[in-house]
Order: sequence, then C-alpha cells, then structure tokens
Amino acid sequence: EAGVTQFPSHSVIEKGQTVTLRCDPISGHDNLYWYRRVMGKEIKFLLHFVKESKQDESGMPNNRFLAERTGGTYSTLKVQPAELEDSGVYFCASSQEHLGQGVVSGANVLTFGAGSRLTVL
Amino acid sequence: KQEVTQIPAALSVPEGENLVLNCSFTDSAIYNLQWFRQDPGKGLTSLLLIQSSQREQTSGRLNASLDKSSGRSTLYIAASQPGDSATYLCARGYGNKLVFGAGTILRVKS
Repeated sequence: EAGVTQFPSHSVIEKGQTVTLRCDPISGHDNLYWYRRVMGKEIKFLLHFVKESKQDESGMPNNRFLAERTGGTYSTLKVQPAELEDSGVYFCASSQEHLGQGVVSGANVLTFGAGSRLTVL
Repeated sequence: KQEVTQIPAALSVPEGENLVLNCSFTDSAIYNLQWFRQDPGKGLTSLLLIQSSQREQTSGRLNASLDKSSGRSTLYIAASQPGDSATYLCARGYGNKLVFGAGTILRVKS
C-alpha cells in the first residue's frame, strides 16, 4: 500500500511569492489533515478534510493560506503571499476513520507523509 | 489550552538500557493518546495508539501506558538499540485533531 505522498520535499522562495504544496493521501482515506512545524515550535494542526469538505480549519493561521481538496482525492495548500514566519515543515496525514472515533481497530490512526519543508527568504 | 509536555527533551543512553519517556497533558478530557517516531528528514511513524478506554498498548519492545486521572502517558523502550535513535513525539487526540508535545530526542550509543 502506497503511503501519504507530499510534494515538493523542499521549496525555497522569496518573501511575497506564492507556493503550493500537494498531498496525495492513501487511497480510500476520506480524512485528510494538514499540520505544520515552524522553527522551535511543536507540530500544530492546520485543518481537516472529510472527502472534499473542510471539516475544521480552525488551525489555519490567516487568510494567506488556502487549502483545497477537489474531488476528495489529493489536497493542495497554497500560501500567498509567503512571509518569513511561514518557514517550517508542512505535514499531511490521512486516515480511514475520523480521529475522534474511539475505534480500537486502528482505522483512525493517522498516517503521515514525509513533509514539505518550506523556506521563505 | 490543550498543552502536551514531554520530558526529557533529550536523552542519550548506552545500547541495551531500558528507558522511559514521559508525556503529560493538562486536560484529562481525551479521546486517545498516540506516540510517534520521527527520523531526520522523514515523516511521523505511528508507534502506539491508546484509546481513552484503554490503559496501555504494547508492540514488540515498546509499551505505552495512559493514566487519564493524572494526565500522564509513558513510553517504555526495552533493551534499547542504536536503531531506536530518533525523535519521539507524544500527541493527545482532541476532537478531530492531535495536539503534539515538543518531542524527546533519543540517542542510543553502540
């Protein structure tokens, strides 16, 4: 089974430019999550998709960030315009079941991608 | 505020030693508690998931416990090996999201 794939693995851009990160979840996983780790901080939740719908975007830092999941398959996270403080590692994760469901089967376990490192100069 | 604290921040041990990583959280309302491992340049690998109705989970040399009343979880690694060197992250499941600790950087010396 292919894992969660993220592209690009590393992106270096100038402040004010636009970057789009892509995530391909595990096939059949309806739940897709974006997280990020900025320098020196913990990994923080950004948002959660169920199929193509945004279930929770409470972690999105501001309106410079736009996430989409058209067709309920892959997802993109666009940062426009990028600022210095956006530098960090952006992780995508997917799961079969909703994280909050107390199933013991493990279907709500998140599988994470390797992350996309973003450097804004 | 759903804080997760991990102690120690870093740990260096000789090969073969048994060790304990600690995780504490401020809110006892918890759906599940998950331990991850992260290798440099890699993603997060789920090690163990403890549902709120459970008290511990075991996988090979790893054992994780959950005490909701005290807001603590421990990850026990038996007979540590150099290949165990990585960053270990604890995450509390809160609603539909994970709240992560800062991690413990583990180095096992051969």
